[in-house]
Amino acid sequence: GEDVEQSLFLSVREGDSSVINCTYTDSSSTYLYWYKQEPGAGLQLLTYIFSNMDMKQDQRLTVLLNKKDKHLSLRIADTQTGDSAIYFCAESISDSWGKLQFGAGTQVVVTP
Amino acid sequence: AGVTQSPTHLIKTRGQQVTLSCSPISGHRSVSWYQQTPGQGLQFLFEYFSETQRNKGNFPGRFSGRQFSNSRSEMNVSTLELGDSALYLCASSALAGGGRFYNEQFFGPGTRLTVL
Repeated sequence: GEDVEQSLFLSVREGDSSVINCTYTDSSSTYLYWYKQEPGAGLQLLTYIFSNMDMKQDQRLTVLLNKKDKHLSLRIADTQTGDSAIYFCAESISDSWGKLQFGAGTQVVVTP
Repeated sequence: AGVTQSPTHLIKTRGQQVTLSCSPISGHRSVSWYQQTPGQGLQFLFEYFSETQRNKGNFPGRFSGRQFSNSRSEMNVSTLELGDSALYLCASSALAGGGRFYNEQFFGPGTRLTVL
């Protein structure tokens, strides 16, 4: 298929870890991205991973990449109420540099 | 400064045309445009690099764009339809990795277009 897929909703308690999952399509993708969007705002780049890496950690964020299964995940440690937002994964298309293909987004709701 | 877009909000009527503007991060030469709607999500419109359109998404010819020598970009939508109501986002990026690869794409706050 041609779609980047994500689960649509995740509810997590404050202080717990959140894991957002994504499956992508292009085995030759160069970069895979995670963006955050808060209501009424643009997209904030959280982190990205190059396709020859398995893992990337950046403070509370951990990205895991399973190239065999074309599976990408974003783990947010110690989730806070400010993490409530929609999270998008995206892949760059290997033959169309500068074009990102996005998933539908996962709405994360953090409860006290 | 980050990516800036203008205007922030815009209301037009069917049949009119509209021009949206995007100023990339200083030094960035690539600008991409995306349309975001509740039904279709984020869809790629086109990408410009050094004043040349490098990639184009699956949108009708009513959607066009251009890039100036200072890397600022505009997109134009002619003969507006109700379905064109959306948040239009632009992103800028710099080349990395030996001149072939784009890494981070940074997005602006968007222009919210409402077509009545």
